Amino acid sequence: NAGVMQNPRHLVRRRGQEARLRCSPMKGHSHVYWYRQLPEEGLKFMVYLQKENIIDESGMPKERFSAEFPKEGPSILRIQQVVRGDSAAYFCASSQIPGAANTGELFFGEGSRLTVL
Amino acid sequence: GNSVTQMEGPVTLSEEAFLTINCTYTATGYPSLFWYVQYPGEGLQLLLKATKADDKGSNKGFEATYRKETTSFHLEKGSVQVSDSAVYFCALPPMDSSYKLIFGSGTRLLVRP
Repeated sequence: NAGVMQNPRHLVRRRGQEARLRCSPMKGHSHVYWYRQLPEEGLKFMVYLQKENIIDESGMPKERFSAEFPKEGPSILRIQQVVRGDSAAYFCASSQIPGAANTGELFFGEGSRLTVL
Repeated sequence: GNSVTQMEGPVTLSEEAFLTINCTYTATGYPSLFWYVQYPGEGLQLLLKATKADDKGSNKGFEATYRKETTSFHLEKGSVQVSDSAVYFCALPPMDSSYKLIFGSGTRLLVRP
């Protein structure tokens, strides 16, 4: 019974490079959420996707960040032209139902830790 | 909007000590409240929840009571174990969303044998 799988677990990039973070939701889950955790802070919501659709990207920075959840394959969080301030842990969560936050039925991955040099 | 404030860590305890991790919230209405735990090398997982005022959530020996008078949801355990060493997050949903969570900054607990 595989949980939410994220890769890579650790990613090092130089300023100006691109970072791609992948998330495979739990089997049967069609709702994916990305959160970011900056050092010494709590997790902050970034984006909510269903298959092939972005439902809410209100937490995403306006530039350089994008997310997708294609019909086949994992969800991808893409950060172009990374800067040092992008260094953080990026967590993916999935759920079977859309209102999962109210019931606590969000299942989180182990996170991907991005370090920008 | 809704928000949550959590005590800073790290908290270091000896095995079998009593644990309290404070969490206070600001909310419109009475949203559900949650404690999540992140063990080393793992993702966050739901530890316990309370869905209405005066509810007590419990799991694995941990308890938290939803107290509307003090707007608190403190996490407690009577006797901690080394295996409880982890980061604990208090969380609640925002007023206008059924799918987002607002997290506290997390409290790292280290239990020494």
